Amino acid sequence: QVQLQESGPGLVKPSQTLSLTCTVSGGSISSGGYYWSWIRQHPGKGLEWIGYIYYSGSTYYNPSLKSRVTISVDTSKNQFSLKLSSVTAADTAVYYCARTPRWLRAFDYWGQGTLVTVSS
Amino acid sequence: DIQLTQSPSFLSASVGDRVTITCRASQGISSYLAWYQQKPGKAPKLLIYAASTLQSGVPSRFSGSGSGTEFTLTISSLQPEDFATYYCQQLNSYPSFGPGTKVDIK
Repeated sequence: QVQLQESGPGLVKPSQTLSLTCTVSGGSISSGGYYWSWIRQHPGKGLEWIGYIYYSGSTYYNPSLKSRVTISVDTSKNQFSLKLSSVTAADTAVYYCARTPRWLRAFDYWGQGTLVTVSS
Repeated sequence: DIQLTQSPSFLSASVGDRVTITCRASQGISSYLAWYQQKPGKAPKLLIYAASTLQSGVPSRFSGSGSGTEFTLTISSLQPEDFATYYCQQLNSYPSFGPGTKVDIK
């Protein structure tokens, strides 16, 4: 059973960089065949896809966030990470990591989510 | 950008009711549409992918249909555990989600 777990600071100051890590268990990122995504949900609102990475390091970002987002992968630790720069209060959200099989075009496994608040 | 709209945005129903939610795409997305259920404080759960294929373990009272720009999610007989918010999602281009439909108890 694949499991994903987000970790990182729950509070980030405005203008700083938000950094989160997703640890994958029950399956290997480097086995290929899956995209590994970050998705966020503003409080009481809908879902917004941030971007994804393939095990090879290829990335694809939401155009609306592309200038501030970096997603990276560490296959030795079976982790992938999100960095979002120059954050504002509008980046306060629950951040999820999720898996997409390349053939499925949907998110079949999700982490539990972690709330990140941007505040001074 | 492909925009998704859902209707209704809110639905009040009783246990045993048949419920239908519609998702419309701003341009054709073939059958690259998925449906999710989300309960408060939890991550979304995949119900249906490829417009009509039931994810493993999902009860058969859930079904999906459609292609192109119009899709539906149907719950044939609403159960107490089905009261939640439902989202559609497309992956024809970069992924995007609909705004959600909250199903509440009448």
